[in-house]
Amino acid sequence: DAGVIQSPRHEVTEMGQEVTLRCKPISGHNSLFWYRQTMMRGLELLIYFNNNVPIDDSGMPEDRFSAKMPNASFSTLKIQPSEPRDSAVYFCASTRTSGSRDEQFFGPGTRLTVL
Amino acid sequence: KQEVTQIPAALSVPEGENLVLNCSFTDSAIYNLQWFRQDPGKGLTSLLLIQSSQREQTSGRLNASLDKSSGRSTLYIAASQPGDSATYLCAVRSYNTDKLIFGTGTRLQVFP
Repeated sequence: DAGVIQSPRHEVTEMGQEVTLRCKPISGHNSLFWYRQTMMRGLELLIYFNNNVPIDDSGMPEDRFSAKMPNASFSTLKIQPSEPRDSAVYFCASTRTSGSRDEQFFGPGTRLTVL
Repeated sequence: KQEVTQIPAALSVPEGENLVLNCSFTDSAIYNLQWFRQDPGKGLTSLLLIQSSQREQTSGRLNASLDKSSGRSTLYIAASQPGDSATYLCAVRSYNTDKLIFGTGTRLQVFP
C-alpha cells in the first residue's frame, strides 16, 4: 500500500495567489481529514469527509479556504487568496471508520510558505 | 469541549532509560485514544490505538495505558534508544464524531 499521498510536498507562493493542495487517501478508506500544523497552534483539524461528503468544516479558518472530495480517491484543499499567516504544514489523513481499528494514517504533508 | 494536554513538553534522557509520557483529557467519554510519533519535517506515524473498552496496548518496546475515569493515558517506552528521538502526540476521538483532538506533544531526545 502506498499510504496517503500528498502533493506538492513544498509550495512557496506570494500573497494573493491561489494555492491548491492535493491528497490521495489510502484505497478502501472512507474518511479523509485535512489538518494544519503550526508552531503556535499545534495540529488543528480543518475539515473532514465521510464517504466523500463534508461532515465537519468548523475548523476552516475563513472563506478563503475551501475543500472538495469529488471521489473516494482524491481531495483538494484550496486557499484563495493566500496570506502569509497561512504558512504552515498541511496534512491529509485517512481512515476506515467502519472498521474495528480506525487508526488515522497521515500523509507526509505539504509545507506551504506564503511570502 | 474536549481538551488534551501532554506533559512534559520536552524530555531529554540518556540511552537505555525507561520513560513515561503523559496525556490527559478533560472529557472521559472517549471512543478511542491514539498515540503518534512525528519526526522533524515528517508526517505522523501511528504507534498505538486503544479503544475505550481497553486498558492497554503493546507494540514492541511501547506500552500505552488508558484510564478513562481519570482522563489519562501514558506511553511507556522501555530501554530507550537514540532512534526514539521524536515528538510524541496523543489524540482523542470522542463518540459521535470521527474527529481527533490532539495534544501539543512531548519532544523526546534520547542521547547516546
